[in-house]
Amino acid sequence: NAGVMQNPRHLVRRRGQEARLRCSPMKGHSHVYWYRQLPEEGLKFMVYLQKENIIDESGMPKERFSAEFPKEGPSILRIQQVVRGDSAAYFCASSPERSGKLFFGSGTQLSVL
Amino acid sequence: GESVGLHLPTLSVQEGDNSIINCAYSNSASDYFIWYKQESGKGPQFIIDIRSNMDKRQGQRVTVLLNKTVKHLSLQIAATQPGDSAVYFCLITGGGNKLTFGTGTQLKVEL
Repeated sequence: NAGVMQNPRHLVRRRGQEARLRCSPMKGHSHVYWYRQLPEEGLKFMVYLQKENIIDESGMPKERFSAEFPKEGPSILRIQQVVRGDSAAYFCASSPERSGKLFFGSGTQLSVL
Repeated sequence: GESVGLHLPTLSVQEGDNSIINCAYSNSASDYFIWYKQESGKGPQFIIDIRSNMDKRQGQRVTVLLNKTVKHLSLQIAATQPGDSAVYFCLITGGGNKLTFGTGTQLKVEL
């Protein structure tokens, strides 16, 4: 049973470009969480999704950021018109139930030039 | 919203000593508590968890203690080893959808 898979592992974008981060949850997990982490800091909640639904997006900026978790395929975190301040590690976690144990992927390191 | 904090941002211990990492929370509705370990460049890994109907739970070299009266959680690592060097996060859940991590404690093991 593969763990949570995130890709790409590293993503480099120039200012103004779009970044797409993918997360495939563990088999049987229908709950997905996205977190952002800056160096030497903790994990900041961004969004919580269940299949085809956004449950809580209170941690996600209103502009330029969006997330989806379609019926088929991975969850996608999309950042439009990236700025240097978007540079961070983005972690995805999945869970088989609400408020359950989270299983994390290895993260995507986004660097904006 | 949930308020989760740690008492010590950095903890340095000698190899072989015991380590204690603390976490405080404010939401009395919290009912599930998890400790994660994050090594540099990696995602957080589950260490141990405890539910609110318990006060103590032990794993291999690790023990989690829960004091619901003062809303305090601790992780004890016995005979700390160099491989234990990492950032440790508590995760508190219950009473809502958002799972909130504590800021994290950097554990440094000195030889």
